[in-house]
Amino acid sequence: EAGVVQSPRYKIIEKKQPVAFWCNPISGHNTLYWYRQNLGQGPELLIRYENEEAVDDSQLPKDRFSAERLKGVDSTLKIQPAELGDSAVYLCASSRGTGGGNTIYFGEGSWLTVV
Amino acid sequence: RKEVEQDPGPFNVPEGATVAFNCTYSNSASQSFFWYRQDCRKEPKLLMSVYSSGNEDGRFTAQLNRASQYISLLIRDSKLSDSATYLCAVSKQGAQKLVFGQGTRLTINP
Repeated sequence: EAGVVQSPRYKIIEKKQPVAFWCNPISGHNTLYWYRQNLGQGPELLIRYENEEAVDDSQLPKDRFSAERLKGVDSTLKIQPAELGDSAVYLCASSRGTGGGNTIYFGEGSWLTVV
Repeated sequence: RKEVEQDPGPFNVPEGATVAFNCTYSNSASQSFFWYRQDCRKEPKLLMSVYSSGNEDGRFTAQLNRASQYISLLIRDSKLSDSATYLCAVSKQGAQKLVFGQGTRLTINP
């Protein structure tokens, strides 16, 4: 079974530029997450989707971040404009169904450096 | 105060030693508990879930103390390959949202 696929793996951009990350979850997983992980810290949830619906986006900085999950499968996370503090790893994850008993699987992450 | 806290380490122990990590959580509504392992520049991967009665998987033992609101991970007979960052994670009942600690970095030395 293929895992969570993310692209690009690495991105270096200048501040104030836009950037987008793409995620393809594990087939059949209807819950999708975007986490951000800063160096030396644990992942922090940005947004969670159940199918097409964003059910938890309370920690998404909505002034510059946006996300979408059209058709309830692939998802994109966009930052516009990027700031120096956005340098981090952006992890996409997915799980089958909802409820605390479902294992969450992570992709390898998209490493963003803003210069 | 962070919702989930861990000692960041680093822990440096010799091969074959026993090492233990603790993780405290502040939300008493937390119902599901996990340990994840994260290798350098890789994604977190589920190591084991933590059950109320405690559970063991080979050299790894996880314990939950609800009264004191902490979970622990014990690694016996540590191997060089156990070197990684160990992240604890908790979620509330019915909530498919994991809150992670900052991770504890472990290095096993030959």
